Amino acid sequence: EVQLLESGGGLVQPGGSLRLSCAASGFSVSSNYMSWVRQAPGKGLEWVSVFQSGGRTYYADSVKGRFTISRDTSKNTLSLQMNSLRAEDTAVYYCARDPVTMVRGVTAPAYYMDVWGKGTTVTVSS
Amino acid sequence: YVLTQPPSVSVAPGQTARITCGGNNIGNKGVQWYQQKPGQAPVLVVFDDSDRPSGIPERFSGSNSGNTATLTISRVEAGDEADYYCQVWDSGSDPYVFGTGTKVSVL
Repeated sequence: EVQLLESGGGLVQPGGSLRLSCAASGFSVSSNYMSWVRQAPGKGLEWVSVFQSGGRTYYADSVKGRFTISRDTSKNTLSLQMNSLRAEDTAVYYCARDPVTMVRGVTAPAYYMDVWGKGTTVTVSS
Repeated sequence: YVLTQPPSVSVAPGQTARITCGGNNIGNKGVQWYQQKPGQAPVLVVFDDSDRPSGIPERFSGSNSGNTATLTISRVEAGDEADYYCQVWDSGSDPYVFGTGTKVSVL
């Protein structure tokens, strides 16, 4: 069964750091675009970062320079290192998979998320 | 790229709910819809404008043209009460763009 399981959330003071992990099962994280998406309390979904299958990484402007996404293919995990945390980073953080499709005989991302983890809560507060 | 949804839609059981997602020339993009119930992760209910993942009832359908995409829920049930988000891929700074979200209430 394809699954994602996040961990590492918690309470941290402003300016502090936290590292989130996402363990994948049933597929290889190296084959897919993998993203972090967050949801602040009572708010909508916000894309945070993506690790593309080819190794490129991208970030939302709101976290650029503070967050770093990485993957460990030997452990089949995705991680998010969050530094210089702010109150506005308080949210549930979801790990999500972009499925692989075939476009003219070549594998490509589908540009949406078909599998989501249950999320891990990050609270930034003094 | 900005996607705009109505904050809320109310519908009686058995009736049809229509949720719109407005964006500049959104008809030229593939649109996805996610359902999110309280305390749960989002679930994909429609992809590529109108396709449904396995396990999603036929009551959920989508369309996309011009500047508006629409998610239609036919024969609404109490269990359809949730927040719904549209999403597109954009070549701009944020590749995965989500709509503002619509809360569907079943009367």
